[in-house]
Amino acid sequence: NAGVMQNPRHLVRRRGQEARLRCSPMKGHSHVYWYRQLPEEGLKFMVYLQKENIIDESGMPKERFSAEFPKEGPSILRIQQVVRGDSAAYFCASSLADNNEQFFGPGTRLTVL
Amino acid sequence: GENVEQHPSTLSVQEGDSAVIKCTYSDSASNYFPWYKQELGKGPQLIIDIRSNVGEKKDQRIAVTLNKTAKHFSLHITETQPEDSAVYFCAAGRNQFYFGTGTSLTVIP
Repeated sequence: NAGVMQNPRHLVRRRGQEARLRCSPMKGHSHVYWYRQLPEEGLKFMVYLQKENIIDESGMPKERFSAEFPKEGPSILRIQQVVRGDSAAYFCASSLADNNEQFFGPGTRLTVL
Repeated sequence: GENVEQHPSTLSVQEGDSAVIKCTYSDSASNYFPWYKQELGKGPQLIIDIRSNVGEKKDQRIAVTLNKTAKHFSLHITETQPEDSAVYFCAAGRNQFYFGTGTSLTVIP
């Protein structure tokens, strides 16, 4: 039973480019969460999605960031026109239902040059 | 929104001793309190959790206590081993979680 999968594991982008981060939840899980972790800091909630719906995006910057979880395929976190401050580890978690245990993927480490 | 504070930020213990990490939260609506262990370069791993209708929960060498009135909860690791060395995060919430800033635990052999 595979856990939460994230790819790529490492992503390097130049300022102004787009970054696309993918997350495949655990089998049977329909709830996906994205978190950002800066070096030496805790995880900051960004967005909570269910299939085809954004439930809570209160932690996501209003500009340049978007997320989706289509009916088929992985959840995507998209960052347009990246800046150096976007460099961080982005973690995806999934759960079977809301208010339930969240299981984390290995993360994508984004570096913006 | 929820605000979670975690102490201490670093903790060193001798192998075999106990380690205690404490967290406080602000939102009385939070009803789920997981603890995660994160090793270098990896994602957080759930190690134990507690819900607000329970005061204490134990799993082998790990225990968590919750005081809902005071809005604080603690992680207790007994008989620590070098492989317990990692960063530990507490979290509180309902659907989305709010994380503490982490405790870097070092177990000295």
